[in-house]
Amino acid sequence: QKEVEQDPGPLSVPEGAIVSLNCTYSNSAFQYFMWYRQYSRKGPELLMYTYSSGNKEDGRFTAQVDKSSKYISLFIRDSQPSDSATYLCAMSANTGNQFYFGTGTSLTVIP
Amino acid sequence: SQTIHQWPATLVQPVGSPLSLECTVEGTSNPNLYWYRQAAGRGLQLLFYSVGIGQISSEVPQNLSASRPQDRQFILSSKKLLLSDSGFYLCAWSVGLARYFGPGTRLTVT
Repeated sequence: QKEVEQDPGPLSVPEGAIVSLNCTYSNSAFQYFMWYRQYSRKGPELLMYTYSSGNKEDGRFTAQVDKSSKYISLFIRDSQPSDSATYLCAMSANTGNQFYFGTGTSLTVIP
Repeated sequence: SQTIHQWPATLVQPVGSPLSLECTVEGTSNPNLYWYRQAAGRGLQLLFYSVGIGQISSEVPQNLSASRPQDRQFILSSKKLLLSDSGFYLCAWSVGLARYFGPGTRLTVT
């Protein structure tokens, strides 16, 4: 079983829709959870990170962690064409050097 | 603010040729540095990380090597490239929790 599972999509939504991106994981020791956005042929850009369970909001983006279900989500409200990218989740048990990344979900927001 | 540079952006190399990819970080001191490879449809694979000058840890045994000759310089090398070395190579740095990636080098081995 992979440490982190992420549906690769592709996901296609109309502009203005609410987007839900998800990852599941198997290691209950994970405490730090991150979401990255990666545009085509570019490096991943850190969007949000959270510690332990709960929600964190930043503008149109909300990150949610449910440790009991080993499930994390990223919600994008009022999606824009500029949100079209691949979204990667990542997680770690500590602030050390081993991060576990999902394979990414490809999102297209249609104008 | 911190900036990370990688070059070249794109590289096409024949099998058996050597490789040298360079990464430099500006605006921070003594960062942890990382080399990742991203293959199509696969997650980011950590290849090497370094916590200081001359200190390199390898995560995946392979024909690649890394060096850190200066505090903010990280180099990925190979003496003889294989077809399987093709991919998108990303340098990253971190201080604390956040990990920041460079623009990447797309390597095609032919």
